[in-house]
Amino acid sequence: GQQVMQIPQYQHVQEGEDFTTYCNSSTTLSNIQWYKQRPGGHPVFLIQLVKSGEVKKQKRLTFQFGEAKKNSSLHITATQTTDVGTYFCAEGVSNKFYFGSGTKLNVKP
Amino acid sequence: EAEVAQSPRYKITEKSQAVAFWCDPISGHATLYWYRQILGQGPELLVQFQDESVVDDSQLPKDRFSAERLKGVDSTLKIQPAELGDSAMYLCASSPQPGGFYGYTFGSGTRLTVV
Repeated sequence: GQQVMQIPQYQHVQEGEDFTTYCNSSTTLSNIQWYKQRPGGHPVFLIQLVKSGEVKKQKRLTFQFGEAKKNSSLHITATQTTDVGTYFCAEGVSNKFYFGSGTKLNVKP
Repeated sequence: EAEVAQSPRYKITEKSQAVAFWCDPISGHATLYWYRQILGQGPELLVQFQDESVVDDSQLPKDRFSAERLKGVDSTLKIQPAELGDSAMYLCASSPQPGGFYGYTFGSGTRLTVV
């Protein structure tokens, strides 16, 4: 299936610093979803983006969909230790979602 | 809050043995997916069901893997024979409709170790 590329693979931040992960595709995306997976846990749905240039916010999390619908980003403001985990983007194709390789976030207190 | 149930939580099996995983999706969710997640990687789609029908199993290694959802509710994924490379987390997910517009709900998964 299709696959989006995520960068960076790992990110270590000090608590209170900001964090951003990027999801890139060589083709136009119809929609994209973001998930969070805590260590030892399962992916949990965060949000879906559909429209070009869309920006959605959930408390300290800001999600963006690129104007060309070929990239997306997740930005966390003032990270907390509870933000630790792996963040995945997932590309929607024919009623299925294909996951990227994820960005693993570690937050040092 | 409704959950996707999976069992067993952990499974250790010897290579060449058969192994099966069970999933019970959220009540009323017609669409069910099985994903495999190798440690350190993203989930990889294996098979998609809509009610009792397989919609897409193009990524399922059919020589050893099989999946069924006979009554359109719970589902079983089987591996026979298991190989060392099958060691992974097997995740089941469901959504109310195809396309997962409201996101998938994942179960806690079955961690398979093949020795």
